[in-house]
Amino acid sequence: SAVISQKPSRDICQRGTSLTIQCQVDSQVTMMFWYRQQPGQSLTLIATANQGSEATYESGFVIDKFPISRPNLTFSTLTVSNMSPEDSSIYLCSAGQGPGTEAFFGQGTRLTVV
Amino acid sequence: KQEVTQIPAALSVPEGENLVLNCSFTDSAIYNLQWFRQDPGKGLTSLLLIQSSQREQTSGRLNASLDKSSGRSTLYIAASQPGDSATYLCAVSSGAGGTSYGKLTFGQGTILTVHP
Repeated sequence: SAVISQKPSRDICQRGTSLTIQCQVDSQVTMMFWYRQQPGQSLTLIATANQGSEATYESGFVIDKFPISRPNLTFSTLTVSNMSPEDSSIYLCSAGQGPGTEAFFGQGTRLTVV
Repeated sequence: KQEVTQIPAALSVPEGENLVLNCSFTDSAIYNLQWFRQDPGKGLTSLLLIQSSQREQTSGRLNASLDKSSGRSTLYIAASQPGDSATYLCAVSSGAGGTSYGKLTFGQGTILTVHP
């Protein structure tokens, strides 16, 4: 299993600003993903964080709004840029060793934009 | 495009009841299916993982089954307790390959309330 730590756990931000969320895994993992959970909704995949190369974004998500870094096999960041109230959500980091293996999640970052 | 549906959306039961949560998916080309638990405002806790070649998995009072050909899974909770109250999410791991392989597609969840 993998233990995933996310920071911050929650934040209240002013519109127009940016927030960077950190995800640290206690062991090397093949795959890292970022998900968004809007209020009352299920999880939607934002992007796959690729080590050493640009992230792969899902339809509806773009790099300018959600830049992602993954400098090594245990760490990734997600930045929510130029925030608006519509970005208020829980953002979750997930990690695993591949499609046939168990996926683990961090505790999430609850973001409120005012 | 994979779509996952969970029924019911909400369930309220008295303590001690056995219950079944349902999950269906549209594309049977999956790697595995996972059931998660989410407490309000929190992250996800993995409950059970069923590989595409398996029929069921058990952990304590939880039993999950998978019928890949019909695109269905059920989560059975025996002797429910108030501490089981949470949102239960079903997710399938699939993908056509490339750098997004293994991504999870989630259902909308079942909100379970177990009252004393």
